[in-house]
Amino acid sequence: KNQVEQSPQSLIILEGKNCTLQCNYTVSPFSNLRWYKQDTGRGPVSLTIMTFSENTKSNGRYTATLDADTKQSSLHITASQLSDSASYICVVSADSSYKLIFGSGTRLLVRP
Amino acid sequence: DVKVTQSSRYLVKRTGEKVFLECVQDMDHENMFWYRQDPGLGLRLIYFSYDVKMKEKGDIPEGYSVSREKKERFSLILESASTNQTSMYLCASIPGRYRYGYTFGSGTRLTVV
Repeated sequence: KNQVEQSPQSLIILEGKNCTLQCNYTVSPFSNLRWYKQDTGRGPVSLTIMTFSENTKSNGRYTATLDADTKQSSLHITASQLSDSASYICVVSADSSYKLIFGSGTRLLVRP
Repeated sequence: DVKVTQSSRYLVKRTGEKVFLECVQDMDHENMFWYRQDPGLGLRLIYFSYDVKMKEKGDIPEGYSVSREKKERFSLILESASTNQTSMYLCASIPGRYRYGYTFGSGTRLTVV
């Protein structure tokens, strides 16, 4: 069964600290993996998208990694800001498919 | 940037009402999607459309229908709203090749009382 699991479910960090969010998937055949940021009450916004051949991609203070062998991805946030408080959703798509498999998200709270 | 606009941010409807949720995208995307998002369940696909007047059921189509009369507009219809349809509804679109990122609308928070 195609699944995407994220950990931790929630995380609280102090402003300025770094953090890493995890995503494990069992989707096959794999096409790409995306990380989205979703502010409360808003729609998800794309941070990164990675295909099988890419193992790292950055978007400002956000860096995503992908290990296609172990089927794991991580999202690293550097020097966190209060505006980073949001849910972060890992999404995987199977090859040539419109269907996305969504993780349940990690809720991040950055405190001053 | 692609813009996906959902007509309402918040809606409150009564049980049994017919409800229309509207979504418009401005980049000529072929594919449009309706999802609902509930705590602990993530996003679940209700319906999608890959062309005008074409639609396919997603994972949870029961109680919903859709309409796509024009390429830029995709409507989700709740024929007779029920309290278990209280949720956040998200519209998304992508161009013809699925490898590109989805663009989501801001969402409509629907409450059925």
